[in-house]
Amino acid sequence: DAKTTQPPSMDCAEGRAANLPCNHSTISGNEYVYWYRQIHSQGPQYIIHGLKNNETNEMASLIITEDRKSSTLILPHATLRDTAVYYCIVSHPNAGNNRKLIWGLGTSLAVNP
Amino acid sequence: DTAVSQTPKYLVTQMGNDKSIKCEQNLGHDTMYWYKQDSKKFLKIMFSYNNKELIINETVPNRFSPKSPDKAHLNLHINSLELGDSAVYFCASSQDWARQGAAEAFFGQGTRLTVV
Repeated sequence: DAKTTQPPSMDCAEGRAANLPCNHSTISGNEYVYWYRQIHSQGPQYIIHGLKNNETNEMASLIITEDRKSSTLILPHATLRDTAVYYCIVSHPNAGNNRKLIWGLGTSLAVNP
Repeated sequence: DTAVSQTPKYLVTQMGNDKSIKCEQNLGHDTMYWYKQDSKKFLKIMFSYNNKELIINETVPNRFSPKSPDKAHLNLHINSLELGDSAVYFCASSQDWARQGAAEAFFGQGTRLTVV
């Protein structure tokens, strides 16, 4: 079962910031938060990940609460090409310290003109 | 240059047939994966290989057999195909998780398998 909870869908106006929330209240100390997105008919695309601190890259910013029980992905200036399903994932340790990603259904973000 | 490429992109076949999907990555990564995305869009890991060694083997029917001839390739062979195998299969690769604790995965474009 996915360890994260996301709203099933969101809308955003083109050029505005898109703030996508994610709850991961059962996250443990060594688990990372990842964000991926999947544009229709394509493979998932990595966006960003973090452990405790806020992170920023050329695609997005990741804000993680101090208790690490939730996070927000921010797309600062959404474009039509950002329309996709956004997945918030907590890495899950597997046997032998190998990790795997448990995927939920994500948030379907529609960026409107 | 495509980082993770898988072939074919579409595969339509009859029940009972045996088919293979090939995957290659040119990123120099140690770890490769196969995922299945069903009609409800759940993406579920099937297998993971690290340097040609199987490290993750989820509850998958043994009709599915991954093969890694070298660390740049991870192929998926499926025997006796069933209607329920219809899905999109994604190959992915990443650096070694165990050493790094976190690593981004690069995905191929997917293979849409339709069993009729």
